[in-house]
Amino acid sequence: EAGVVQSPRYKIIEKKQPVAFWCNPISGHNTLYWYLQNLGQGPELLIRYENEEAVDDSQLPKDRFSAERLKGVDSTLKIQPAELGDSAVYLCASSPLIAGETQYFGPGTRLLVL
Amino acid sequence: GENVEQHPSTLSVQEGDSAVIKCTYSDSASNYFPWYKQELGKGPQLIIDIRSNVGEKKDQRIAVTLNKTAKHFSLHITETQPEDSAVYFCAASFAGGTSYGKLTFGQGTILTVHP
Repeated sequence: EAGVVQSPRYKIIEKKQPVAFWCNPISGHNTLYWYLQNLGQGPELLIRYENEEAVDDSQLPKDRFSAERLKGVDSTLKIQPAELGDSAVYLCASSPLIAGETQYFGPGTRLLVL
Repeated sequence: GENVEQHPSTLSVQEGDSAVIKCTYSDSASNYFPWYKQELGKGPQLIIDIRSNVGEKKDQRIAVTLNKTAKHFSLHITETQPEDSAVYFCAASFAGGTSYGKLTFGQGTILTVHP
């Protein structure tokens, strides 16, 4: 079974530029999560989807961050415009049950904002 | 909201020794406690988890214990090997409305196993 796929794996951009990350969850997983991981810290939830519905986006900075999960499968996380403090790893995870607890993570996208 | 504290932040052991990492949580409603291993350049990998109706769970060299009264849980790795070297994260989640399934992570422990 293929794991969670994320792309790109690395991204370097200048501040104020837009950037987008893509995630394809494990086949059949209804729930998809986007996490932010700063260096030396644990992941922090940004947004959780159940199928195509965003059921928890309380931690998403909506002034510059947006996400979508069309058709309830793959998802895109966007930042516009990017700031220096957005440099981090963006992790996608999925779980097999609605509001499931066992989450499986992708390799992440490492973003560097210059 | 939930708060998870993890100790120690770094742990260095000799190959073959045991390693113990401890976490405490604040929300008594939390009922699911997974442990993740993260190697350099990779995403977190689930290694073991425990639910609130169980006090201990073991999988080969890895075990987790849970004390709900004291609100702490621990990861035990026996007969450590160099390939166990990684960052380990504990996490806790609780059920309740739209927050169901939200994992709160500890700060991580860098484990180094010396050959």
